[in-house]
Amino acid sequence: GAVVSQHPSWVICKSGTSVKIECRSLDFQATTMFWYRQFPKQSLMLMATSNEGSKATYEQGVEKDKFLINHASLTLSTLTVTSAHPEDSSFYICSAREWGTGYGYTFGSGTRLTVV
Amino acid sequence: SQQGEEDPQALSIQEGENATMNCSYKTSINNLQWYRQNSGRGLVHLILIRSNEREKHSGRLRVTLDTSKKSSSLLITASRAADTASYFCATGTGAQKLVFGQGTRLTINP
Repeated sequence: GAVVSQHPSWVICKSGTSVKIECRSLDFQATTMFWYRQFPKQSLMLMATSNEGSKATYEQGVEKDKFLINHASLTLSTLTVTSAHPEDSSFYICSAREWGTGYGYTFGSGTRLTVV
Repeated sequence: SQQGEEDPQALSIQEGENATMNCSYKTSINNLQWYRQNSGRGLVHLILIRSNEREKHSGRLRVTLDTSKKSSSLLITASRAADTASYFCATGTGAQKLVFGQGTRLTINP
């Protein structure tokens, strides 16, 4: 079945630095990828939708300059948390949708970001 | 924004019992999906039910959908310790993106 690989699985960074998270579709072409944020014991909040070759569509309240999303190829999307602060600490999850497969979404295993 | 409301928020049952989780949503949908999430992990797709379907089965899972009440239920029969996880419903609309419910934390006691 479809597999989405997300790296790193966890990262600790200092305040003020930037962190990049990668999301790769391993055996299919993902025309659309989604980035979610999840706080402990809470649900997934959609941050943005990215389509290959175009700018990401951000959800209301999500800072575009803070969370940079790039979807340069059909198999790779990246989320960069810029100038990270402790309040950015969270669990970030990507998902990908394969063109022509109907409603199927495949999720990455998530990245635990801790900003100290 | 979150669309789904799930209840209960937490459920603890004995192994072998059945677990039922409910999900309500607010707008029209194309489909409703259920996912499982083990602690600190990604989501695993369990089952999808389309808006024109009323019931669907997959192994020990049974999902119902009532579009008139904008609600769905997930039944897990003969629960096992490995079923311990959080379960989320997610609604799909024509806009591609999934909107997740608040989730139910299920604990199966051996």
